[in-house]
Amino acid sequence: AQSVAQPEDQVNVAEGNPLTVKCTYSVSGNPYLFWYVQYPNRGLQFLLKYITGDNLVKGSYGFEAEFNKSQTSFHLKKPSALVSDSALYFCAVGNSGTYKSIFGTGTRLKVLA
Amino acid sequence: EAEVAQSPRYKITEKSQAVAFWCDPISGHATLYWYRQILGQGPELLVQFQDESVVDDSQLPKDRFSAERLKGVDSTLKIQPAELGDSAMYLCASSLAEWASGAQETQYFGPGTRLLVL
Repeated sequence: AQSVAQPEDQVNVAEGNPLTVKCTYSVSGNPYLFWYVQYPNRGLQFLLKYITGDNLVKGSYGFEAEFNKSQTSFHLKKPSALVSDSALYFCAVGNSGTYKSIFGTGTRLKVLA
Repeated sequence: EAEVAQSPRYKITEKSQAVAFWCDPISGHATLYWYRQILGQGPELLVQFQDESVVDDSQLPKDRFSAERLKGVDSTLKIQPAELGDSAMYLCASSLAEWASGAQETQYFGPGTRLLVL
């Protein structure tokens, strides 16, 4: 069975500071990992994904994520946060043997001006 | 840029009534997903289609929910009768993924339908 955990319900960061949103996963086989962002009353938007290759994945809007196999983590990062980054962030995991992703419960990011 | 279309955006209904949601995926996307997202939680997969076939409906409450994708393009999700606990956001997503290949592709989400059951 596959599972994903986002241990923080909310992350607060000052504008211009680096941000990290945490995600850990459990899956058999090779993981497929995704980050999505959701703005109020909107559907989810794709940010980035890890399938294979470099552990550091770069995505939309200056976000990146680091795949760490030994720690089974896929934390989302950004060097300098913007107020407009404030939203709900979801991590999702699947594996090469299945066809669906399991979503985490989400982390609300608040960037303070 | 191609988008997933959903309608209606908002729906208010009384319990025991029937409701239906429509989704038009991105052209060429073989896989279509319906999710339910309860406030404060992540999306939960209700049903997944590969073309016109259901490949996963294990989490769909089949006594009241039904879904179809007759021509393998657009899809309808129906609830009959609606219950208070069905109040949620219903999200549709599509992807290029061919599920039998085991590959995972990016899912593209529509804006969702927010359902309120009174």
